[in-house]
Amino acid sequence: ILNVEQSPQSLHVQEGDSTNFTCSFPSSNFYALHWYRWETAKSPEALFVMTLNGDEKKKGRISATLNTKEGYSYLYIKGSQPEDSATYLCAFMTNTGNQFYFGTGTSLTVIP
Amino acid sequence: EAGVAQSPRYKIIEKRQSVAFWCNPISGHATLYWYQQILGQGPKLLIQFQNNGVVDDSQLPKDRFSAERLKGVDSTLKIQPAKLEDSAVYLCASSFWGAGADTQYFGPGTRLTVL
Repeated sequence: ILNVEQSPQSLHVQEGDSTNFTCSFPSSNFYALHWYRWETAKSPEALFVMTLNGDEKKKGRISATLNTKEGYSYLYIKGSQPEDSATYLCAFMTNTGNQFYFGTGTSLTVIP
Repeated sequence: EAGVAQSPRYKIIEKRQSVAFWCNPISGHATLYWYQQILGQGPKLLIQFQNNGVVDDSQLPKDRFSAERLKGVDSTLKIQPAKLEDSAVYLCASSFWGAGADTQYFGPGTRLTVL
């Protein structure tokens, strides 16, 4: 079982602040890195799929970067809003199998 | 487009009882996944189906857990008998092909509490 780590474990920010989280994964046998947002009592929602070193993806105020050589991805939220409050999960897939390895998530609370 | 459906949303049982969860994936999706998410941990893959065949069930505790996907569409996951440590959220997901860069679409999950 591979180790995928996310930090911080939880985060409280004020509305309007920008924030970022980290997902660390093994740098060998990389195939894809996924980011999901999971709001309480809802289904996890796919944010990004990244496959190439140096990839940058953006969706509204949320963006992500990928460094496969050093094994990390950053998720950025610009101008956080209360509706951004959720758990953000990353999932790593190797090129040697079909299995996803999820991190434990970063729980974000945006205070109005 | 309808999302992934799961039922029930919540279930409370006593240890040694049996329980079953149902999942209906997005129409046309060949791959279906069952995950277990224990509080404080990331989701862990229990079983992956490609159509009605099993691709990976290496982390499924086969002495008590079973899953099937009849006709390559709906799926059921059963626990018999349940243990306290089975308390978790059980997530079902589906994807079009099951390739590494395929997006997985998740259902809302079933929260199981074993007393």
